[in-house]
Amino acid sequence: KQEVTQIPAALSVPEGENLVLNCSFTDSAIYNLQWFRQDPGKGLTSLLLIQSSQREQTSGRLNASLDKSSGRSTLYIAASQPGDSATYLCAGILKGGATNKLIFGTGTLLAVQP
Amino acid sequence: NAGVTQTPKFRILKIGQSMTLQCAQDMNHNYMYWYRQDPGMGLKLIYYSVGAGITDKGEVPNGYNVSRSTTEDFPLRLELAAPSQTSVYFCATRVHTGELFFGEGSRLTVL
Repeated sequence: KQEVTQIPAALSVPEGENLVLNCSFTDSAIYNLQWFRQDPGKGLTSLLLIQSSQREQTSGRLNASLDKSSGRSTLYIAASQPGDSATYLCAGILKGGATNKLIFGTGTLLAVQP
Repeated sequence: NAGVTQTPKFRILKIGQSMTLQCAQDMNHNYMYWYRQDPGMGLKLIYYSVGAGITDKGEVPNGYNVSRSTTEDFPLRLELAAPSQTSVYFCATRVHTGELFFGEGSRLTVL
């Protein structure tokens, strides 16, 4: 069974700290990996997409890496701010047929304390 | 450019009622998806479409139907609503790189 696991399930850090969120997957057929942010009661906002030919992507204070050989991706957040508080989801994109299916992890709930 | 628009945002249904969740996009994306999100369970794919007139089942299609008569619209129909369909429903579109864009969700409660 294809699975995507996110550890930890919840994380609380003081403002200004650098932090790493982890995502691991069991399926070597995962083609791309996408990180999302979800605020309470809201939809998912795309943060970064790492394609299979890439090892990492950066956007502002965010850096995501992908290691397909070990089945892991990490999202690094530098100099965290209270506005970063949200649930972070990773999704592995399987390539197959007419559609690329996503397998979602259950997320990491991040709280950044001012 | 509104992106992906879902209506309604909230709805309460009685068991056995039917309703349609609307999804519209203005990005001219061919691929569209319906997911449901349950607490602690992650997102599950209900149905997807690769273009107008073409739809297919995802992981959890039972109790739902879709249609795709235009590129812009991808409505999700619930027939004979059941408490198990209480969830938050998300519509999404995809670009050629595989990146997905989500609507803000429709929160449905079946009592």
